[in-house]
Amino acid sequence: QEQLEESGGGVVQPGRSLRLSCAASRFTFNTYAMHWVRQAPGKGLEWVAVISHDGGNKYHADSVQGRFTISRDNSKNTMYLEMKSLRPEDTAVYYCARERIDYDGFDIWGQGTMVTVSS
Amino acid sequence: SSELTQDPAVSVALGQTVRITCQGDSLRNYYASWYQQKPGQAPVLVIYGKNNRPSGIPDRFSGSSSGNTASLTIAGTQAEDEAVYYCKSRDSSGNPWMFGGGTKVTVL
Repeated sequence: QEQLEESGGGVVQPGRSLRLSCAASRFTFNTYAMHWVRQAPGKGLEWVAVISHDGGNKYHADSVQGRFTISRDNSKNTMYLEMKSLRPEDTAVYYCARERIDYDGFDIWGQGTMVTVSS
Repeated sequence: SSELTQDPAVSVALGQTVRITCQGDSLRNYYASWYQQKPGQAPVLVIYGKNNRPSGIPDRFSGSSSGNTASLTIAGTQAEDEAVYYCKSRDSSGNPWMFGGGTKVTVL
């Protein structure tokens, strides 16, 4: 069964950094664009970032531009989200998701990892 | 930048049909995809493209679109369909992807 598993979440002070990982299994990772999506407690879904299948193209949401960086290592079937200058409003569950090749649709999601930014 | 607007909540009697709408200018150019999220769980894709269901999604779920409005219809709603439903679309301005605010479906 195709699977994604996030890791790296935790409690961090404002202004500090954290790196999230998303490990893929049981599918050809290097043929899919991948996304990060977050959800603040009790709130809706917010798209965060996307990276193309080969890592050549990346886009970040305005809310994280300049602070977060998406990357991937296809040799390790893993995607990352480097988060710097964290703010309390970055507190959320962070999901990684796979984008379908044919149509826009995130068809595989991880279980999420919680990031709490608090002093 | 654009946005996608959903009604916050809707209720439906068991076995009846409910339609959830999503409005936004981007929907004139891009299909919406729809996600079901139950408490404490990750979202699940239920509709993508013009009206496509991933494997394992019951055929009581269907999608449609007209002008700036996309719709998700659940026919013969079951108790297990109670969840929050989010639409998502591409956008040609601002952030390249965006989600609607979500619609909580309550099954009576």
